[in-house]
Amino acid sequence: AQSVAQPEDQVNVAEGNPLTVKCTYSVSGNPYLFWYVQYPNRGLQFLLKYITGDNLVKGSYGFEAEFNKSQTSFHLKKPSALVSDSALYFCAVRDMADSNYQLIWGAGTKLIIKP
Amino acid sequence: GAVVSQHPSRVICKSGTSVKIECRSLDFQATTMFWYRQFPKQSLMLMATSNEGSKATYEQGVEKDKFLINHASLTLSTLTVTSAHPEDSSFYICSAREVYTQYFGPGTRLTVL
Repeated sequence: AQSVAQPEDQVNVAEGNPLTVKCTYSVSGNPYLFWYVQYPNRGLQFLLKYITGDNLVKGSYGFEAEFNKSQTSFHLKKPSALVSDSALYFCAVRDMADSNYQLIWGAGTKLIIKP
Repeated sequence: GAVVSQHPSRVICKSGTSVKIECRSLDFQATTMFWYRQFPKQSLMLMATSNEGSKATYEQGVEKDKFLINHASLTLSTLTVTSAHPEDSSFYICSAREVYTQYFGPGTRLTVL
């Protein structure tokens, strides 16, 4: 069965420190992987995606993620956290063979950056 | 980048009335649009997938007669919550697919009194 796991409900990081938000996935075929961010009472904003090519993907607001096929992971990272990065982060995957283009969603990780 | 608008952003209605929510892709054409529902502190729940010019595909447990979806053009999809009840109160979010990526609207907060 296809699934996405975000093992941490919440991640706390001090401002200026590096941050990592974890994501692992399971699909039967090749994955398309995505990260989205949601601020309170708002829709989701697209951060970055992995489709093919370089395993290290750079996205919006200084975020990056690394696709690791052997570990089936796609962790989100940022070298230096900002208080404004505090939000809810969702990882999502789509099986490349899925003609319905549906995304499988993780449960979300609340990121709290403390000054 | 791709922009998706959603209107209204917030609506309060009486029980038994119908509410229409519009989702538009502003700078691209979206063959496929999706409607989600999000409960507090929870992830997104896909309600239906909408393809332009054809009937929407509803997820299991979503009543198609209650949540009417119309995708009349490549830039517009609408969700109508018919005979709304308090349990329909939620945050509804649409997304539009551009090639590989789904871009999301800002969401609509529906409160049914």
